[in-house]
Amino acid sequence: GESVGLHLPTLSVQEGDNSIINCAYSNSASDYFIWYKQESGKGPQFIIDIRSNMDKRQGQRVTVLLNKTVKHLSLQIAATQPGDSAVYFCAETPLTSPTDKLIFGTGTRLQVFP
Amino acid sequence: AAGVIQSPRHLIKEKRETATLKCYPIPRHDTVYWYQQGPGQDPQFLISFYEKMQSDKGSIPDRFSAQQFSDYHSELNMSSLELGDSALYFCATKERTRYEQYFGPGTRLTVT
Repeated sequence: GESVGLHLPTLSVQEGDNSIINCAYSNSASDYFIWYKQESGKGPQFIIDIRSNMDKRQGQRVTVLLNKTVKHLSLQIAATQPGDSAVYFCAETPLTSPTDKLIFGTGTRLQVFP
Repeated sequence: AAGVIQSPRHLIKEKRETATLKCYPIPRHDTVYWYQQGPGQDPQFLISFYEKMQSDKGSIPDRFSAQQFSDYHSELNMSSLELGDSALYFCATKERTRYEQYFGPGTRLTVT
C-alpha cells in the first residue's frame, strides 16, 4: 500500500506504555477539532473530537486535550497496542468555513514496538 | 456498519487523459467532501457539496470538476491529467447537522 507519511515526525513507544501525540493549530477562530488515525493505504479513521468550549474529552483508551491559550491539541493513548501503529492527524474546522471543511495538521507516525 | 464507498480503488492513467472518481456516502449522509493526499502529505481539501450544490471550494485545479447527484453520491472528474495529480483521493461524508466526517478508503491515482 501507499507509504503515508514518509517524512513525518515519528513517535516510538513500547507496547503497554501511554502515548502522547501533539498538534499545534494556527487558526484561533477554529471551533472544532478532530483526531484521525490513518493506516497505510487506508482512509483516515475518526478517533475522537472536541469542541472549542471544552478542554478535555475522553473516549475508549483515548483522551484529547485542548489548550486554546497556546493553540495546542494533544491525543493521549493509554496502554498503546501494536494495532495503534499508524499516522495520526489532527484537523480543525475554522469558524469562517461555511461547510465545516477540515484543515489538517502535519501527521505523526506512531510506532509501537514489543 | 455501512461505510463510505469509493471506486475505483486504483487507477492508472497517462498524461493528458481524463479520470472519474466516484464516492457513495454512508446512508443519511447528505454532505460530501473531496480531499487530495500526496505522498507524505496531509489531506488537502478540494471541494464539497450539500444537497447537490457546491458548498465550498479549496485548492482544486480548473481541470477538475465535481458534482453531487440526487442519491447523494458524488463524482470527481479530472481532465488533462498531469504527473503531479498522482495522489490518494479521499471523499468524506457527513450528516449536515453534525460535525464528524467519515472518510472512504480512497482512490489511488497514478499518472504516468
